[in-house]
Amino acid sequence: AQRVTQPEKLLSVFKGAPVELKCNYSYSGSPELFWYVQYSRQRLQLLLRHISRESIKGFTADLNKGETSFHLKKPFAQEEDSAMYYCALSGYSTLTFGKGTMLLVSP
Amino acid sequence: DAGVTQSPTHLIKTRGQQVTLRCSPKSGHDTVSWYQQALGQGPQFIFQYYEEEERQRGNFPDRFSGHQFPNYSSELNVNALLLGDSALYLCASSLFTASNQPQHFGDGTRLSIL
Repeated sequence: AQRVTQPEKLLSVFKGAPVELKCNYSYSGSPELFWYVQYSRQRLQLLLRHISRESIKGFTADLNKGETSFHLKKPFAQEEDSAMYYCALSGYSTLTFGKGTMLLVSP
Repeated sequence: DAGVTQSPTHLIKTRGQQVTLRCSPKSGHDTVSWYQQALGQGPQFIFQYYEEEERQRGNFPDRFSGHQFPNYSSELNVNALLLGDSALYLCASSLFTASNQPQHFGDGTRLSIL
């Protein structure tokens, strides 16, 4: 069975501080991992995926197969980063989501 | 391109009733997946439709059923509604041949059961 765990419900940081949103997964095959973000009053949208290895809005995430983790990181948080973040695993063309972490960035 | 569109945006029903939710996929997409998002939880996969057939199903009872039409739009039907069915129902579309490509989500339908 595939499972995604996001251990923090809420992460509160000050503007300019580093951010790390944790994600651990359980999957027997080769996973495809994503981070989705939901800003206030907006629909769920893709932030980044591990296979593209790109940085979006300053966020990066590295797949660590040994630790089965896909943590989301940003060196300097901005107020506009405040949102709900979901880690998701794609297996057999369906998505399994974690429960999400609310990131609050204070001025 | 309006992306994925869902209707209605909000719905209130009572226990035991039946409900139908609708979804139009993003232009160019042929696959529709439905998710249930309870309060404080991440979206949970219900089922996926491609070529008018249910291709995969999550851990949901038979009260949850669906349909896909030739124009790729889809419906989610829930019978014998329970209080626990209150949730945000999300539709996501993708291209079947591009497996593991990102899914595009709609705004969802907020279903409240009284």
